[in-house]
Amino acid sequence: QQPVQSPQAVILREGEDAVINCSSSKALYSVHWYRQKHGEAPVFLMILLKGGEQKGHEKISASFNEKKQQSSLYLTASQLSYSGTYFCGTVGSGNTPLVFGKGTRLSVIA
Amino acid sequence: GAVVSQHPSWVICKSGTSVKIECRSLDFQATTMFWYRQFPKQSLMLMATSNEGSKATYEQGVEKDKFLINHASLTLSTLTVTSAHPEDSSFYICSARPTGTGNYGYTFGSGTRLTVV
Repeated sequence: QQPVQSPQAVILREGEDAVINCSSSKALYSVHWYRQKHGEAPVFLMILLKGGEQKGHEKISASFNEKKQQSSLYLTASQLSYSGTYFCGTVGSGNTPLVFGKGTRLSVIA
Repeated sequence: GAVVSQHPSWVICKSGTSVKIECRSLDFQATTMFWYRQFPKQSLMLMATSNEGSKATYEQGVEKDKFLINHASLTLSTLTVTSAHPEDSSFYICSARPTGTGNYGYTFGSGTRLTVV
């Protein structure tokens, strides 16, 4: 079942922060975050495996609330290079495939 | 590590012809690969799960006789779009994850843009 992402789109000025949310109606084994530039394949950002886990790389971080079946991606002090469509993907128990949300289109302007 | 190579990057074909897309895991073995399709400004929709040595598992609404999947080895899966029509024009992407590495995300191929004219 497809996770629900919000917002659908957001426009930021350089240096501003943003939060992208992802929720599922089913129990989750893991949450994956990807960024896709126009015409390119998705690029893996990070995976969260345990409820309550938080992870980050440079100014992009994420959290996973297993009980609420929700995850959030935090972009701090956004840069122009952050522009793209962000997808969360969820995996249920077992070797089930990755199912993507509809994506959040992020545009960072100067 | 964990590189997936997909070919071709793009293809234009005539309506009624068949097109084969290859997906290779270069530095790991993948017993399972996944095929996605993405229409413009939409999300990636899972089409099928490719299993080495056995039949693929198709998602609801995906015609298995039209989208033939073969996973003949631990490093190669192919998707053949048979009797392609303009509505099959899309961005097709494969993905895989090294077996037993729960801490890794799924790696995607670079995608194949199919245009049927």
